[in-house]
Amino acid sequence: AQTVTQSQPEMSVQEAETVTLSCTYDTSESDYYLFWYKQPPSRQMILVIRQEAYKQQNATENRFSVNFQKAAKSFSLKISDSQLGDAAMYFCAYSSFQGAQKLVFGQGTRLTINP
Amino acid sequence: EAQVTQNPRYLITVTGKKLTVTCSQNMNHEYMSWYRQDPGLGLRQIYYSMNVEVTDKGDVPEGYKVSRKEKRNFPLILESPSPNQTSLYFCASRGDRGESYEQYFGPGTRLTVT
Repeated sequence: AQTVTQSQPEMSVQEAETVTLSCTYDTSESDYYLFWYKQPPSRQMILVIRQEAYKQQNATENRFSVNFQKAAKSFSLKISDSQLGDAAMYFCAYSSFQGAQKLVFGQGTRLTINP
Repeated sequence: EAQVTQNPRYLITVTGKKLTVTCSQNMNHEYMSWYRQDPGLGLRQIYYSMNVEVTDKGDVPEGYKVSRKEKRNFPLILESPSPNQTSLYFCASRGDRGESYEQYFGPGTRLTVT
């Protein structure tokens, strides 16, 4: 079974600086998707960025980018120019290509932005 | 507007009193699922459905039931709720493979069982 681990329960960063959230996963599959979701205080789950495992190029969405290391099974999220609105819980998630394609989530990292 | 709706958003109930949390999506998605979120555990899948009348257990199905009689609706049923089912619940839906496996989440239902 696949597992996802986020080893940083909490992180904090100064506004306008850069922060990296870590995520590792375990799988025997070669094709899969990886995601980062943001959960603000409203509790809504918001997709931040996704990465297809067959793509070597790291995904980027504006100030958000990932460092995908397939061999190391690592998928970190970098937030550049942090803003107060980035404060939230962030979840890393894995989805298989096959079968029911459920999302397997990590434990979450709570990110605080200091003004 | 494409969305997943859940009702109620908040629910406080007592042990043993049957309850249903409704979920509906307007995107004609085949795949729907329920997750529960608990501190330190992230989100875990309870049940999922690949299409109408097709449902299967996720990772934590004990104490829950689901049905999928219509494509748009996927209610979660707690026949006899217990305090360990106090949690934040999310319904999600996804289209076919062409949509890159993106799942759309409802706003969540905060359930408290006393």
